[in-house]
Amino acid sequence: QLQLRESGPGLVKPSQTLSLTCTVSGGSISSSSYYWAWIRQSPGKGLQWIGNVYYSGSAYYNPSLKSRVTISVDASKNQFSLKLSSVTAADTAVYYCARPLDFYNSSGYYYYWGQGTRVTVSS
Amino acid sequence: QSALTQPPSASGSPGQSVTISCTGTSSDVGGSNYVSWYQQHPGKAPKLMIYEVGKRPSGVLDRFSGSKSGNTASLTVSGLQAEDEADYYCSSYADTNNWVFGGGTKLTVL
Repeated sequence: QLQLRESGPGLVKPSQTLSLTCTVSGGSISSSSYYWAWIRQSPGKGLQWIGNVYYSGSAYYNPSLKSRVTISVDASKNQFSLKLSSVTAADTAVYYCARPLDFYNSSGYYYYWGQGTRVTVSS
Repeated sequence: QSALTQPPSASGSPGQSVTISCTGTSSDVGGSNYVSWYQQHPGKAPKLMIYEVGKRPSGVLDRFSGSKSGNTASLTVSGLQAEDEADYYCSSYADTNNWVFGGGTKLTVL
């Protein structure tokens, strides 16, 4: 069974860069042609798609975050990562990594999710 | 782009049916059949309930159904049960590999 697990600092200072990693187990990032995604949820608010990355490294981003976001993949570690620069309090959220439903490789039908990691932006 | 528009709340009694709407534009909901719905219980990750407008992943009960008309998608929960009380989010393809979510609807089982 595919499992995803987010990791990274729970507290980031304003103007700094938020860095998170998603570790995949039960399957290989490089042997399956899926777009792996990051999604966040601000406190008491809805979900926001941040972007996704293909195992080759090709990435797509939410236009509203594009100037600050980089999503990359490290196939050797079976991980993919999120970097969000110049963070403010508005970036405080639970961050999830996710993978689409089987056979819907490039879709936004996210069937597999990590448990989420809470990141607070505060000095 | 703006999130898809959902009512903030919906409710129904056990056994009843409730429908949650999700309104977008011709650039997202109205422009494709790539609409999905998620259920989220407090403190948990979202769970995919409906994809491609009206299809259910394996294991999702047929009490959950989806449809679309024009720029509005809908999720219907039939035979409401206590465990259906949760937040529900719609999602749609927006443009080149870009996905947008609705603001969420809190479903209360009375």
